[in-house]
Amino acid sequence: KAGVTQTPRYLIKTRGQQVTLSCSPISGHRSVSWYQQTPGQGLQFLFEYFSETQRNKGNFPGRFSGRQFSNSRSEMNVSTLELGDSALYLCASSLVPTSGGAVDTQYFGPGTRLTVL
Amino acid sequence: SQQGEEDPQALSIQEGENATMNCSYKTSINNLQWYRQNSGRGLVHLILIRSNEREKHSGRLRVTLDTSKKSSSLLITASRAADTASYFCATDRAGYSTLTFGKGTMLLVSP
Repeated sequence: KAGVTQTPRYLIKTRGQQVTLSCSPISGHRSVSWYQQTPGQGLQFLFEYFSETQRNKGNFPGRFSGRQFSNSRSEMNVSTLELGDSALYLCASSLVPTSGGAVDTQYFGPGTRLTVL
Repeated sequence: SQQGEEDPQALSIQEGENATMNCSYKTSINNLQWYRQNSGRGLVHLILIRSNEREKHSGRLRVTLDTSKKSSSLLITASRAADTASYFCATDRAGYSTLTFGKGTMLLVSP
């Protein structure tokens, strides 16, 4: 079974631009989560989608947004890029969505490394 | 702030030795998971331990969980150079449904 794929793998943008990152989950997985990883802040949760609905959102400004399509593929968008947005953006998929109880095992893609100049 | 904090931040050992990493967290949890990341790549899930479990094994990995101390440890036995990576613990807090990661332990295994 193919793993989680993310495109593109590398991106270089300049401040003020916007960017769209794509994630295809493992076949059959319907929950997709996004994380930002930086040396200073570590791994931080951005948002989670299930059945085309955002179920959870982390503490990020509104410039960060996402969506999920009917085939479970997901995109995240960052508008008006800032230097601090330079990071590795990781997508993870799981079979079941998070509930008020436990988080299912998440399977991560290789990430998209975004550099903002 | 991070829910999980790994200790040590970095660990350097020789092949064949055991590596122990610790994770402490602040609030009640449902599950605790350990992930590995090779050099800025995606994370690989290693093991999940539920709050009502105390110990779990998977191959050369042994994870313990002490909910009274809010801590967990990951033991890698007979380390190999291929185990060189960063290791993260992640928790999902009771009442919340998101995964919170610690800052990780960088493990270097020298041949």
